[in-house]
Amino acid sequence: AQSVTQPDIHITVSEGASLELRCNYSYGATPYLFWYVQSPGQGLQLLLKYFSGDTLVQGIKGFEAEFKRSQSSFNLRKPSVHWSDAAEYFCAVVATTSGTYHYIFGTGTRLKVLA
Amino acid sequence: GAGVSQSPSNKVTEKGKDVELRCDPISGHTALYWYRQSLGQGLEFLIYFQGNSAPDKSGLPSDRFSAERTGGSVSTLTIQRTQQEDSAVYLCASSPPSAPEQFFGPGTRLTVL
Repeated sequence: AQSVTQPDIHITVSEGASLELRCNYSYGATPYLFWYVQSPGQGLQLLLKYFSGDTLVQGIKGFEAEFKRSQSSFNLRKPSVHWSDAAEYFCAVVATTSGTYHYIFGTGTRLKVLA
Repeated sequence: GAGVSQSPSNKVTEKGKDVELRCDPISGHTALYWYRQSLGQGLEFLIYFQGNSAPDKSGLPSDRFSAERTGGSVSTLTIQRTQQEDSAVYLCASSPPSAPEQFFGPGTRLTVL
C-alpha cells in the first residue's frame, strides 16, 4: 500500500539557519510528489511539485526539494529560514488508479523558527 | 482568479444537530475533495468527486456523513447528528482536468459542543 512518512513531528531552527524536512514514501511506480505549507488557521498552499524530469525542483518562497528514487525520499530544503516560514509542512504522494488521483498525505512537520 | 472558497469559516453547533458545509471550487476544476483535519493531525480523506463519475466515498467515517456535488461545481458536506469527535477543520480542494495538483480552500472549523 502507498504511504508517506514524515519522521520529524517538530523541528526548531534559528532564523537564517538552513532547513531540511524529511519525507519518505512507499509507492510502486514513480509517483507525483508534493510539498504543501499550512500557516495557522489557513488552508494548504502548494510549495512545489515533482512529476518527472529534473530531480531537483524549485518552489515558491525559496524552497527546493530533491527526488531520490533510490532512497524513496523527497526532502524539502531551504538555505536560510525566515521567521515567516514557521508553519506546518505536509508531504504528499499522488497515486493514480484508472485515471483518478488519490492523495496520501504525511502527518506533517511543525516548524518553529527562533529569532 | 478566485481560489477555492468555503463557508462558513467557523461553525459552532450542539451535539445531535445537523450541519452543512459548503465548498465552491475553482471554475473549470473537475475534481473536488473533502478532507478532515483534527487538532494537530494530518489530513484524513473523506470523499472525492471527479466529473460525472460516481464519487469515491471510501473515506467517510460513518453513515452520518454525506456529500453531494450539484452541477459539477459546488459541493456540500453534511454531517447528521453531530458528535463531539466530529470537531475538526474540514478542508475542501479542487483539481483541474487531468492534473494531480490540488488547490485548497481555507477550511471550515467545526466545533461540536
